Amino acid sequence: RKEVEQDPGPFNVPEGATVAFNCTYSNSASQSFFWYRQDCRKEPKLLMSVYSSGNEDGRFTAQLNRASQYISLLIRDSKLSDSATYLCVGGKNNDMRFGAGTRLTVKP
Amino acid sequence: DADVTQTPRNRITKTGKRIMLECSQTKGHDRMYWYRQDPGLGLRLIYYSFDVKDINKGEISDGYSVSRQAQAKFSLSLESAIPNQTALYFCATSDLRTEQETQYFGPGTRLLVL
Repeated sequence: RKEVEQDPGPFNVPEGATVAFNCTYSNSASQSFFWYRQDCRKEPKLLMSVYSSGNEDGRFTAQLNRASQYISLLIRDSKLSDSATYLCVGGKNNDMRFGAGTRLTVKP
Repeated sequence: DADVTQTPRNRITKTGKRIMLECSQTKGHDRMYWYRQDPGLGLRLIYYSFDVKDINKGEISDGYSVSRQAQAKFSLSLESAIPNQTALYFCATSDLRTEQETQYFGPGTRLLVL
């Protein structure tokens, strides 16, 4: 079992839709969590960190549930430019584990 | 200019050849990492280094070696390349001084081993 698992998708949604991704992690000692965005054939780039209290950045909201060991990403009012693969990351200190990614396509 | 650069960007080699992938950074970060990315498997850590004298194995270090020549340079070597090392390789850096483990990635090196 992978340490960080996420639904690979693809998620195909129309512009303006709200879409949510979930990610589970198996290491209960994990302390830091992130969502990265990766465009096709490009490097991953930090989308947002995930804090215990939940956090929001514009149309993006991240939540952490330590009891159930999952994190989520909610994207509201999807834009065409949101089309990408979203990577969930969790771990501690030098041992950060990446999920395989969830692919999102936003269509006109 | 990019903060994290990788050379070469693309490489085709033959089984048994030795190759080196280079990574340089201008971010002044202490920590550097090498990952490989395969379809369906995500990013997997090969080696990481917290400073010039520190080298640590990651999740999948077999068949690879690294050298941290300076704070800004971290190279990955495949001593004898094999076809299942065909992958997309990323170098990344992070800042020891920050609380969060945010990593900054280079543009990647696409490696094909025939």
